[in-house]
Amino acid sequence: QKEVEQDPGPLSVPEGAIVSLNCTYSNSAFQYFMWYRQYSRKGPELLMYTYSSGNKEDGRFTAQVDKSSKYISLFIRDSQPSDSATYLCAMLRQAGTALIFGKGTTLSVSS
Amino acid sequence: GAVVSQHPSWVICKSGTSVKIECRSLDFQATTMFWYRQFPKQSLMLMATSNEGSKATYEQGVEKDKFLINHASLTLSTLTVTSAHPEDSSFYICSARETFRQGGYEQYFGPGTRLTVT
Repeated sequence: QKEVEQDPGPLSVPEGAIVSLNCTYSNSAFQYFMWYRQYSRKGPELLMYTYSSGNKEDGRFTAQVDKSSKYISLFIRDSQPSDSATYLCAMLRQAGTALIFGKGTTLSVSS
Repeated sequence: GAVVSQHPSWVICKSGTSVKIECRSLDFQATTMFWYRQFPKQSLMLMATSNEGSKATYEQGVEKDKFLINHASLTLSTLTVTSAHPEDSSFYICSARETFRQGGYEQYFGPGTRLTVT
């Protein structure tokens, strides 16, 4: 079993839809949870960063972490065509260690 | 936010030659940098962790004699692909870690280098 599982999609939604992206993980030692956005042939860009369980909101983006279920989510409200990208979840056990990435979910938002 | 640059952004080389990729943190010091490799439609796979002034730590299955990493300063790490082969063709991405005074952690990624070996 991989440490981090993420459905690669692709996921296609119309503009304005609410998008839900998810990852599951197997290692209970993970403490830091991130979501990155990656456009084609570019480096990943950090979207959201959460420590331990809970919710975090930033504009149209909401990140949720449920450590009891080993499940994290990213919600995008009022999705826009510019949100079309690959979204990668990433985790690490403690500061200073390397990120463990999910496979990434490709999202396409049509206008 | 902090900026990480990579050079070159795209390189084509002949089989058997060596290629050096640079990763720079432009506005912060990074004692630790990471090198990743990404194949099309795949996730980022960690190749090695580069620490300033010491030897890099390689992930299992990564040949350290083939992928030479040097982290000579707090703002520069280099990855040299030696005796490149077509199967080394990939997207190489570096990242640099900045530790906040509050104890937080953030890792910034470079734009990536596309290597094509012919």
